[in-house]
Amino acid sequence: NAGVTQTPKFRILKIGQSMTLQCTQDMNHNYMYWYRQDPGMGLKLIYYSVGAGITDKGEVPNGYNVSRSTTEDFPLRLELAAPSQTSVYFCASSWSTDGYTFGSGTRLTVV
Amino acid sequence: AQKITQTQPGMFVQEKEAVTLDCTYDTSDPSYGLFWYKQPSSGEMIFLIYQGSYDQQNATEGRYSLNFQKARKSANLVISASQLGDSAMYFCAPWGRGGFKTIFGAGTRLFVKA
Repeated sequence: NAGVTQTPKFRILKIGQSMTLQCTQDMNHNYMYWYRQDPGMGLKLIYYSVGAGITDKGEVPNGYNVSRSTTEDFPLRLELAAPSQTSVYFCASSWSTDGYTFGSGTRLTVV
Repeated sequence: AQKITQTQPGMFVQEKEAVTLDCTYDTSDPSYGLFWYKQPSSGEMIFLIYQGSYDQQNATEGRYSLNFQKARKSANLVISASQLGDSAMYFCAPWGRGGFKTIFGAGTRLFVKA
């Protein structure tokens, strides 16, 4: 049982480039989330989804987009990367009171 | 919407002593829960303990227990007999039927001294 799989683990982008962070879960969880974590700080919610075809903004959605075409996949798209988007990105999924299952994170640096 | 507040940016505790990490919450959901997660320096998020709003007793998981005071809207994590490996960031997070917009607390960094 793989849980939540995030790819890539590390990435360096140049300012203005775009990329997609992939997130896949195999637990049939309805709820999925994207968070960013700046050094020494807490988690900030970027986007979340309560099911296939349904997404909504979190605390810090600017500069990002998401889609949820299937229950399993919840990719995060960065358009026109900026240094302020340098962070560690976590994808998570959940179902009811079973808790949140996190991916291992993607460390992104924008230079 | 739900709001989580963790007021202790950093805490120090002597090895083998107990420590309490604070978490207060504000929610309009009649049924909700609180999770605690540990994030060591390696970065992964580790589930520790869960407390449901209708649970009759405070949750316990090994050395972890929750001091749940519903009237005060607090769900403090108690770690007994601290170990050096407990040094990490600790996050409180809500769960509620209407609160899918899960916003974590700012976290508390715990330092365990030998």
